[in-house]
Amino acid sequence: DSGVTQTPKHLITATGQRVTLRCSPRSGDLSVYWYQQSLDQGLQFLIQYYNGEERAKGNILERFSAQQFPDLHSELNLSSLELGDSALYFCASSVGSGDTYEQYFGPGTRLTVT
Amino acid sequence: SQQGEEDPQALSIQEGENATMNCSYKTSINNLQWYRQNSGRGLVHLILIRSNEREKHSGRLRVTLDTSKKSSSLLITASRAADTASYFCAARMDSSYKLIFGSGTRLLVRP
Repeated sequence: DSGVTQTPKHLITATGQRVTLRCSPRSGDLSVYWYQQSLDQGLQFLIQYYNGEERAKGNILERFSAQQFPDLHSELNLSSLELGDSALYFCASSVGSGDTYEQYFGPGTRLTVT
Repeated sequence: SQQGEEDPQALSIQEGENATMNCSYKTSINNLQWYRQNSGRGLVHLILIRSNEREKHSGRLRVTLDTSKKSSSLLITASRAADTASYFCAARMDSSYKLIFGSGTRLLVRP
């Protein structure tokens, strides 16, 4: 158990819909990262927040957005869902934002878009 | 495209044998990390090697880094059935906070 929690574990929804994935980082961690893992794209970094502010951006679509709240939990919002958005979405956290901080991954949310 | 490419894509060995996985990347990096993922589960951080390091050990794991060849290898010695998992390398580029993951190696250790 990494100490990072993600809800829900599974989500099934229809194309065109909007969903929110939630992540609670390990106690004391200030950075939160979001990743998408799919069969065709592999594991891709989406976005990072550090202490409430966006720190780095990866291959995140405009239909997706995220935020980190004052209590440090984070939410990833996915809208206008398409079949290709079906994937495992992981959240990770680390103490800081520097390059040597180990990232601890949550169990993931499996999103299925039908 | 992904920064890290790994080979082999899949590896099947007998318990007790050593397993070697390789990772290549494209641009200069700050560090390279290896992660393990059990089927459908989250990733577990195994080891981090900085760009100025050539070799690092952690228990039965040995990681090497050759920045001139832009490659790294992960060696698992005396493998166990419980080592069965997918292994990913992840490169942190010099100018970025993000990790770029390789495509992974699926390791099967037969009892």
